[in-house]
Amino acid sequence: DTEVTQTPKHLVMGMTNKKSLKCEQHMGHRAMYWYKQKAKKPPELMFVYSYEKLSINESVPSRFSPECPNSSLLNLHLHALQPEDSALYLCASSQMNGETQYFGPGTRLLVL
Amino acid sequence: DQQVKQNSPSLSVQEGRISILNCDYTNSMFDYFLWYKKYPAEGPTFLISISSIKDKNEDGRFTVFLNKSAKHLSLHIVPSQPGDSAVYFCAANGGATNKLIFGTGTLLAVQP
Repeated sequence: DTEVTQTPKHLVMGMTNKKSLKCEQHMGHRAMYWYKQKAKKPPELMFVYSYEKLSINESVPSRFSPECPNSSLLNLHLHALQPEDSALYLCASSQMNGETQYFGPGTRLLVL
Repeated sequence: DQQVKQNSPSLSVQEGRISILNCDYTNSMFDYFLWYKKYPAEGPTFLISISSIKDKNEDGRFTVFLNKSAKHLSLHIVPSQPGDSAVYFCAANGGATNKLIFGTGTLLAVQP
């Protein structure tokens, strides 16, 4: 089983809203990732958690706030986003950092 | 600086024929390479990988070849099927940061 689940599938929010994206995996993976993908572009890494600790932050603006409550869950809290933040947000996990990553289906975010 | 490049943005192949997708990289520290397939508005699906200690890995219709001296890898799909139509990303791991670096993607269209 290589399933990573993400909720919600779609999200529309205004620039003053606060929302959260959720990601879950039950493969016992100890590394989890957030990516952002714009149309016709490759996924861009945002954050890496390894053993529930933030190990990489790719200079992401503070309006994106990740959280790893436990080894199976990864959240991305969103606040005061801009229209240019509209994108597909992907979660991935791997056994360890540096190993094969398995992606979830993504959350399609639209910021109005 | 694009460390992983896919120079063909698109490729069209007849059903039943071979599809060959190419990828070049510049960082000799990369030691693990992967291919992902992506449908629109979905997360990337892991297809096949290869370690730098090998030059070929095969899984069903998919074969990945690695030429370390040329810093080049390729994905062969035989026989191609219409359901293979998608964007294919190569990715490389390793180096100092241990991050997954994606190429820009190649859109494969398999014509019935």
